[in-house]
Amino acid sequence: QSVLTQPPSASGTPGQRVTISCSGSSSNIGSNTVNWYQQLPGTAPKLLIYSNNQRPSGVPDRFSGSKSGTSASLAISGLQSEDEADYYCAAWDDSLNRGVFGTGTKVTVL
Amino acid sequence: QLQLQESGPGLVKPSETLSLTCTVSGGSISSSSYYWGWIRQPPGKGLEWIGSIYYSGSTYYNPSLKSRVTISVDTSKNQFSLKLSSVTAADTAVYYCARHEFERYSSGWYNWFDPWGQGTLVTVSS
Repeated sequence: QSVLTQPPSASGTPGQRVTISCSGSSSNIGSNTVNWYQQLPGTAPKLLIYSNNQRPSGVPDRFSGSKSGTSASLAISGLQSEDEADYYCAAWDDSLNRGVFGTGTKVTVL
Repeated sequence: QLQLQESGPGLVKPSETLSLTCTVSGGSISSSSYYWGWIRQPPGKGLEWIGSIYYSGSTYYNPSLKSRVTISVDTSKNQFSLKLSSVTAADTAVYYCARHEFERYSSGWYNWFDPWGQGTLVTVSS
C-alpha cells in the first residue's frame, strides 16, 4: 500500500484553482524532495514538478508545487479541460529504502 | 530528444519469468549521470517503482521485489532490461521504463523519472 496519501478526487470549473495534497512522514517527504506526475487517460505519466517546486521545461506555470514538513501540495491555477488527469506525488523513503508514490488524485474539470 | 521504448512479450504464464527491454534513443545511456528505471502500474491502480540501474551496472531494487528482480544494461545496444521471476497474476501491469534522476544531496534524495516510455501491458495468465 502507498505511504503517501492523496485525496482520491478533486474537481473545479474552468479557470478555478485546484489544490491537491500529499501527506507523508518524516522518512519520506520530511527528509527528501517531492515530485509530481500527471497521467492523462491512457498515457504514461509525465513529470510535472520536481525537487518540490521546480517545473521541467514545457510545463505551464499554472502548475506549482510546495512542501512543508511532512506534506506537499500541487496547485493548478486557471484550470483547463486538458488538465483532466490523474496526479501522483512521489518521494524517496529512507525507512523503506525505496521510492514511493502517492495514492493518486483524479482531477475532473466540471 | 530522448525517447524510451519498452518491448517484450505481452503474455507470460504463471511461475515463469517476465522479460522486458527498454531501448533508449536520442541520447547515450552511458554518457550521463542518470540511472535508468522500471516502474509498473496494475490496471486501474497506482504506480510502483521496481528498480533502477546505472550504466556501470550498479543497481537499486525495491526491497519488496528484490528477490525476484534482475535489471541489466547493454551499453553497446543502448538498452536496459528487466527480468521478474516466478510471476503471478499480481504481476499483471503496464510496465514503464524511464530515465531516473537519482542522487543524494544535503537536502535529501533527488529521485524523479523523466522521460517515460509509453508503457507495455504484461498479462500473467495460463
